[in-house]
Amino acid sequence: NAGVTQTPKFRVLKTGQSMTLLCAQDMNHEYMYWYRQDPGMGLRLIHYSVGEGTTAKGEVPDGYNVSRLKKQNFLLGLESAAPSQTSVYFCASSYAGTSTDTQYFGPGTRLTVL
Amino acid sequence: AQKITQTQPGMFVQEKEAVTLDCTYDTSDPSYGLFWYKQPSSGEMIFLIYQGSYDQQNATEGRYSLNFQKARKSANLVISASQLGDSAMYFCAMREYNNNDMRFGAGTRLTVKP
Repeated sequence: NAGVTQTPKFRVLKTGQSMTLLCAQDMNHEYMYWYRQDPGMGLRLIHYSVGEGTTAKGEVPDGYNVSRLKKQNFLLGLESAAPSQTSVYFCASSYAGTSTDTQYFGPGTRLTVL
Repeated sequence: AQKITQTQPGMFVQEKEAVTLDCTYDTSDPSYGLFWYKQPSSGEMIFLIYQGSYDQQNATEGRYSLNFQKARKSANLVISASQLGDSAMYFCAMREYNNNDMRFGAGTRLTVKP
C-alpha cells in the first residue's frame, strides 16, 4: 500500500520560474492538505481540499495555487517562484476533516529557489 | 486562535530510559484533537499517537503514551525504554473540531545516547 506519494522529491528553481508539485493518495481519503516546513518551525498549512473539485486557503496561501481535479490527486503550483518559497513541502491526507481524524503524510519535496 | 508550544528545543536520554517531551496548547474550542508525529532524519512525518479532548483515559500506543492534563492544557509525550531509533524530531499538533487548520509546535529534537 503506497499511502501518500509526492513527486518530485527534490527540485531547484530560479526566481520567477513556475512548477507544480503532485500529491497522490490511494487510501480513498476525502481531505488533502499541503504544508510547508521551514527550519526551526513546525509545519504550516498552505491550502487544503475537502473533496474533489474543492480547495480552500490555509495559514500561508500567498504565492501558491492548488487544484483537486481527481479525488486521489492534489496539485500545488508556484506560478512565479521566490527565494522565500525555499522549503520542504509535505502533502497529507485524511479520511474526514474532524478533529479526531489522523493526517497521513507523504515523504516531502525539498524545493530550493535561487 | 489555536497555538501549540514545545518549550524543549533539544532533549537527551540514555538508551532504555524513559523520556517526556512537553507540549502545551491554547484553544477556546471544547472539542479538539491532539497528535504527536515523529520526523526522523530521513524527513518523513510518522504519526505516533492521538488524544481526543473528551477522552477519559490517556492514550497509549506501544512504548508511547500521552500524559493528557486538560485543565493545564498540556499533552506531554512519554516514550518508555528509549531506543537509538527514537532519535528524531518530535512534533505536537492540535486540530479544533471546526477548523481544518492543524497547528504544529516548533518541535523537540530527541537524541538517544547509547
